[in-house]
Amino acid sequence: TQLLEQSPQFLSIQEGENLTVYCNSSSVFSSLQWYRQEPGEGPVLLVTVVTGGEVKKLKRLTFQFGDARKDSSLHITAAQPGDTGLYLCAGAGGWGKLQFGAGTQVVVTP
Amino acid sequence: GAGVSQSPRYKVAKRGQDVALRCDPISGHVSLFWYQQALGQGPEFLTYFQNEAQLDKSGLPSDRFFAERPEGSVSTLKIQRTQQEDSAVYLCASSLPGVYEQYFGPGTRLTVT
Repeated sequence: TQLLEQSPQFLSIQEGENLTVYCNSSSVFSSLQWYRQEPGEGPVLLVTVVTGGEVKKLKRLTFQFGDARKDSSLHITAAQPGDTGLYLCAGAGGWGKLQFGAGTQVVVTP
Repeated sequence: GAGVSQSPRYKVAKRGQDVALRCDPISGHVSLFWYQQALGQGPEFLTYFQNEAQLDKSGLPSDRFFAERPEGSVSTLKIQRTQQEDSAVYLCASSLPGVYEQYFGPGTRLTVT
């Protein structure tokens, strides 16, 4: 059971377009992380957000943590084919164990 | 340095067989996690070790699942009498104590036929 809901489930865009994926929960998390996973590989950490209202930028990726620390968004500017992958959000619980959403599959075509 | 490694990368088991999946965490990472990822889903927590102590096994789906980390480094996830619903990718992750960032291995894809 995924306690974090991600939307959309699938997103296909052309190179150069912008996209936003969302992560929503009814629970408050002390921190929220975004991962990207490629086929046959484990998730790779992109960013950790901790403070409500926090915005972090990583090159063309912008991450926002909601004021109430229940939701987050990931915005990609001028997407490239290398951005293709499964984007997962995860909330940290006790012991640091992660609760993941089901992910958003992003496909960027040249 | 070396990342988290897992072996085997792929395992096919007949229903009813026992399997053992290995995880080598990053050196110095005392925290180790196992997750199960079904097709089209995000990873789901199975169990957590701090050094050799298994502090949380609340995610193990049944008593057929058993994990150990006897010397506080390498960990093994064992599944007895495998069932078709056990088919999934099993991911291992490690982290430093008190740090939420986890580093994942490539996973073991288990297929039960």
